[in-house]
Amino acid sequence: DAGVTQSPTHLIKTRGQQVTLRCSPKSGHDTVSWYQQALGQGPQFIFQYYEEEERQRGNFPDRFSGHQFPNYSSELNVNALLLGDSALYLCASSLETGGRESTDTQYFGPGTRLTVL
Amino acid sequence: AQSVAQPEDQVNVAEGNPLTVKCTYSVSGNPYLFWYVQYPNRGLQFLLKYITGDNLVKGSYGFEAEFNKSQTSFHLKKPSALVSDSALYFCAVRDGVNNDMRFGAGTRLTVKP
Repeated sequence: DAGVTQSPTHLIKTRGQQVTLRCSPKSGHDTVSWYQQALGQGPQFIFQYYEEEERQRGNFPDRFSGHQFPNYSSELNVNALLLGDSALYLCASSLETGGRESTDTQYFGPGTRLTVL
Repeated sequence: AQSVAQPEDQVNVAEGNPLTVKCTYSVSGNPYLFWYVQYPNRGLQFLLKYITGDNLVKGSYGFEAEFNKSQTSFHLKKPSALVSDSALYFCAVRDGVNNDMRFGAGTRLTVKP
């Protein structure tokens, strides 16, 4: 049973560029959440996708956008990269059990390390 | 909004001794509490969660956590630490309405032989 996978593993970009990160959820999961983990900090919630819609968003600017595909995989796009966007980007998947009060565990992928020069 | 505090940046214990990693939380409504572990250059691995029921929750690798509503705490414990338990531990909380999890800043556990 494949867990959450993310690609690429590492990425180096320059300021002002755009980047796309990809995530495939754990088999059987339908919900994908994205987190940014800066060095020495805990993960910060970016947004969550369910049924191909952004369901909830954290305190991140519009430069951060996403998409979920019919097969539940997801992309995170970041435009106009800043030095401060350098971080480990984590994708987590879970199964929506119904309603907003989901108690399901989120399972994390290995992350994509983004470096902005 | 929900929040989590991990008051210790670093915890050091000797192998074979019991360990505790502390976590306190703030949330409106019923808390959903989680512990994750992160090894170097890896994603987060789920250890255990508290949703409802018994205050003592048992999880992976011999870890357990005790939910204390009056003290708003969810401390992670293990009776006998292993060197291989050395890693970064994160506590996280969700409430019953929002889907985002709030993580603490993490506690680095070092178990010495």
